[in-house]
Amino acid sequence: AQSVTQLGSHVSVSEGALVLLRCNYSSSVPPYLFWYVQYPNQGLQLLLKYTTGATLVKGINGFEAEFKKSETSFHLTKPSAHMSDAAEYFCAVSESDSSYKLIFGSGTRLLVRP
Amino acid sequence: ETGVTQTPRHLVMGMTNKKSLKCEQHLGHNAMYWYKQSAKKPLELMFVYSLEERVENNSVPSRFSPECPNSSHLFLHLHTLQPEDSALYLCASSQVGPRGGETQYFGPGTRLLVL
Repeated sequence: AQSVTQLGSHVSVSEGALVLLRCNYSSSVPPYLFWYVQYPNQGLQLLLKYTTGATLVKGINGFEAEFKKSETSFHLTKPSAHMSDAAEYFCAVSESDSSYKLIFGSGTRLLVRP
Repeated sequence: ETGVTQTPRHLVMGMTNKKSLKCEQHLGHNAMYWYKQSAKKPLELMFVYSLEERVENNSVPSRFSPECPNSSHLFLHLHTLQPEDSALYLCASSQVGPRGGETQYFGPGTRLLVL
């Protein structure tokens, strides 16, 4: 069965520091992987996704993630945090033979200190 | 973002009330979803409609009743809810195809409080 683990329910960084949000997954078939962001009182917005091809995926707002099959990981990074990045981030996995079902992690709340 | 809209944005109801949540997507997608987001729990998929047919029902109590009259509209009818049903209810849509990996687009959610 698919599952997603996000290490750390809260991550705090200083403005300008590196952001690293961790995501590990389990899947019996090649997965599709997603990162979504949720700002207060809003729905989820896609940051980036991996389907096939290049393992380093670039998304919106300067975020990127690297698919590492050997480590079953899809960590999200941003070189320099901005105050506007404060939000909750969700990693999700979809198996290639189930085109509509997304399994979400429990989320990581990113706090950015001035 | 106006691709997926939800009304109302906030709802307070008693346990004996009947209410409905509405979702509308303006993206021409062929699948729509209801999710429940509770504090400290992962997003839970409740229902999926693909081409207006229900294809997923994740053991949701019968006090939640979905309706999909066409590919653009999705409703969630609520009756005799419990306080533990208080949550953010999110609607999403996607264009489902043979290859998978399609992005789901989310609405802003309805914040439900059951007293």
